[in-house]
Amino acid sequence: DTEVTQTPKHLVMGMTNKKSLKCEQHMGHRAMYWYKQKAKKPPELMFVYSYEKLSINESVPSRFSPECPNSSLLNLHLHALQPEDSALYLCASSPSVGENYGYTFGSGTRLTVV
Amino acid sequence: GIQVEQSPPDLILQEGANSTLRCNFSDSVNNLQWFHQNPWGQLINLFYIPSGTKQNGRLSATTVATERYSLLYISSSQTTDSGVYFCAVVGSARQLTFGSGTQLTVLP
Repeated sequence: DTEVTQTPKHLVMGMTNKKSLKCEQHMGHRAMYWYKQKAKKPPELMFVYSYEKLSINESVPSRFSPECPNSSLLNLHLHALQPEDSALYLCASSPSVGENYGYTFGSGTRLTVV
Repeated sequence: GIQVEQSPPDLILQEGANSTLRCNFSDSVNNLQWFHQNPWGQLINLFYIPSGTKQNGRLSATTVATERYSLLYISSSQTTDSGVYFCAVVGSARQLTFGSGTQLTVLP
């Protein structure tokens, strides 16, 4: 299995809702990432997990809460989002954090906040 | 942090034409990848190429790490090649940083 699987593919949520995005990989990778991509912009890093521990938080607002329950699974919990949080959320994995490894991306969750 | 510049920002081709996309980066890197993002948003890894030359069918890439640039060549372009091409690098901060992308449109 050489894929990163993200669910759901599309999500519409109100500003008072709580929802979660899910990401799964079975490649034995020990680093997992969340990226946010606005329209016509490149992906921007949000969080990095290394060996199931949060290692980088790029000053992301607390309404985004990541979780890594095990080495194959990464969640992003969403609460009290704003319309400007509407974006494509991409999950990625790599064998380890750092330089000499290729990253594999999932197909993303397209989030709309109404 | 490391700066990644891609050119051209937009490119329109007739089907069957060849093209070259460029990626310049401001510091030494240990990881460089080229991605194709399709209209549905999926980022597809084309090449992992921190140095040297690789080929995969109609696509090839060359990275000259000492001169801090990489090139992606697309030959005999097809309409399915349309989309955004991103170069992304890992520098000393150990984070994958993306360039601003090249929007490619291939006309039938």
